[in-house]
Amino acid sequence: EAGVAQSPRYKIIEKRQSVAFWCNPISGHATLYWYQQILGQGPKLLIQFQNNGVVDDSQLPKDRFSAERLKGVDSTLKIQPAKLEDSAVYLCASSTAPGAGNEKLFFGSGTQLSVL
Amino acid sequence: AQRVTQPEKLLSVFKGAPVELKCNYSYSGSPELFWYVQYSRQRLQLLLRHISRESIKGFTADLNKGETSFHLKKPFAQEEDSAMYYCALSPSGTYKYIFGTGTRLKVLA
Repeated sequence: EAGVAQSPRYKIIEKRQSVAFWCNPISGHATLYWYQQILGQGPKLLIQFQNNGVVDDSQLPKDRFSAERLKGVDSTLKIQPAKLEDSAVYLCASSTAPGAGNEKLFFGSGTQLSVL
Repeated sequence: AQRVTQPEKLLSVFKGAPVELKCNYSYSGSPELFWYVQYSRQRLQLLLRHISRESIKGFTADLNKGETSFHLKKPFAQEEDSAMYYCALSPSGTYKYIFGTGTRLKVLA
């Protein structure tokens, strides 16, 4: 099966600029996650979608980060304006709907963001 | 607070030696626990989950609720086991996954 697709793979921007990341989950996967992974740390959940609704965005810095999943399929994550501390790998993951059994995360390759 | 702790950033062992990667968690309810692995230039992927009680690639992990631990073990390490390993916790019913900081395993020839 096709995996989780993310683009771009790399992005370099200057602080205060804006940037957007795109994710296309595995077909039929209802749940979509965005994680931020800073160098030397584990993935940190930013936002969790169930279809096109937000389940958890408690750790999303809403003053500068936004995410949407229109039509419950692909998703975009935006940062505006970017700060130096936003330099990280942004991972998208998807899974089957809760209760489907044997839920597990399928990860994309990630977008490596460098803010200069 | 829900938290996953992996105390070792790096673990080096010789091929054929036993491996134990430590994971402790903080959660008051009944957790679901997982080990995810990232091999060089590959995506993060599920290795095993405690609820399945399975052995994958020779690895096993036992949930110890008394010690709040979910250590990953393998009796004889192979060079292809070299990778980054992350322990993850999913609080019951949330389908949210909280990851530890990871342990890099290096298996030396």
